[in-house]
Amino acid sequence: GAGVSQTPSNKVTEKGKYVELRCDPISGHTALYWYRQSLGQGPEFLIYFQGTGAADDSGLPNDRFFAVRPEGSVSTLKIQRTERGDSAVYLCASSLISAGSYEQYFGPGTRLTVT
Amino acid sequence: AQSVAQPEDQVNVAEGNPLTVKCTYSVSGNPYLFWYVQYPNRGLQFLLKYITGDNLVKGSYGFEAEFNKSQTSFHLKKPSALVSDSALYFCAVRDGKGGSQGNLIFGKGTKLSVKP
Repeated sequence: GAGVSQTPSNKVTEKGKYVELRCDPISGHTALYWYRQSLGQGPEFLIYFQGTGAADDSGLPNDRFFAVRPEGSVSTLKIQRTERGDSAVYLCASSLISAGSYEQYFGPGTRLTVT
Repeated sequence: AQSVAQPEDQVNVAEGNPLTVKCTYSVSGNPYLFWYVQYPNRGLQFLLKYITGDNLVKGSYGFEAEFNKSQTSFHLKKPSALVSDSALYFCAVRDGKGGSQGNLIFGKGTKLSVKP
């Protein structure tokens, strides 16, 4: 079946601009996660949704970052006034909420470059 | 605070030899432990997990991992390495609160290089 998809695969933007990154989870997965992976590092948690609501947004670095999931499926990560330090690969993952299902399934990521 | 350490940046193994990629963790409650593999320009792929039960867990592509509570370790192993196993491996942990859901804490990754 189809996996997690993310668009765009690459995004180059200028410092100060606004960007939106999209994630389409596996059908039927009610939990959705955003992570950020900088070069040479492991993924770092940003925010997690159960259904439409953000269950945990403690990983968002500041108020320039915001994410929504209005219908409980597709999610959009929004970054305002981008900075060069925001350059990273943004990963989305989804998982089932059911007993015995603990693993998260990751998309290929969006590589964001802020010039 | 939860954390994961992967002490080796790189592991080099000859094809056909056994491989071990090390991982130690720190978590306040019962740990849920995971291994993921990342091939170049591809997303993270789930390999295996430990939630409860038998300390030795088996996963995809012949990989296995052993949970050691006293040493707070979850090392990844494979009896006979293949050149195609060359990739970046990540260990991840979360505590058991929240049931089946919750964010993962990842290590920095270990690059595995298997030479013919």
